[in-house]
Amino acid sequence: KAGVTQTPRYLIKTRGQQVTLSCSPISGHRSVSWYQQTPGQGLQFLFEYFSETQRNKGNFPGRFSGRQFSNSRSEMNVSTLELGDSALYLCASSRTGGEGNTIYFGEGSWLTVV
Amino acid sequence: AQSVTQLGSHVSVSEGALVLLRCNYSSSVPPYLFWYVQYPNQGLQLLLKYTSAATLVKGINGFEAEFKKSETSFHLTKPSAHMSDAAEYFCAVLFYGGATNKLIFGTGTLLAVQP
Repeated sequence: KAGVTQTPRYLIKTRGQQVTLSCSPISGHRSVSWYQQTPGQGLQFLFEYFSETQRNKGNFPGRFSGRQFSNSRSEMNVSTLELGDSALYLCASSRTGGEGNTIYFGEGSWLTVV
Repeated sequence: AQSVTQLGSHVSVSEGALVLLRCNYSSSVPPYLFWYVQYPNQGLQLLLKYTSAATLVKGINGFEAEFKKSETSFHLTKPSAHMSDAAEYFCAVLFYGGATNKLIFGTGTLLAVQP
């Protein structure tokens, strides 16, 4: 079956702009999480959605937001981009987000802010 | 609170040699542990996971990991390294509270395989 699909794979934005990244989870998975990966900070949790509700949020400013649709697809948005937002953004999905669930990742979206 | 420590940010082995990547965890509850691999310019691929069913977990590509509660370790091993194993490896512990979850990752170990 198809894995976690993220679009776009690569994008370049200018400081001050906003960006929207999309994630389609594995079929049947209702939990979608987002992570940011940078050389300096490593892999950090952004937020998790389940059944269109944000259940958990990491320690990121309010410029980072997300949502989940009824088909479990998710988007994340970063407004007023800063140079430090340049990163690989990874989406992950699991069945319910509960204990013991296997968490699968997509290929990521590479964001460069110039 | 859960946390993960990966000892050695860079590990270099010869092709055919044993691969040993170290991971120690801290968890106030029974842990769920994962190893992921990341090849250049790609996302994270699941190698294996521990969910308390068995202490020795076999994964893909010949990797396995052993959960040792007394040592709070979950080291990743492969008997014979292949050039294609060169990648970055991440150990992670699942933080769970209620129905939600998030992975807490180690800082990663970059594995180089020398011919």
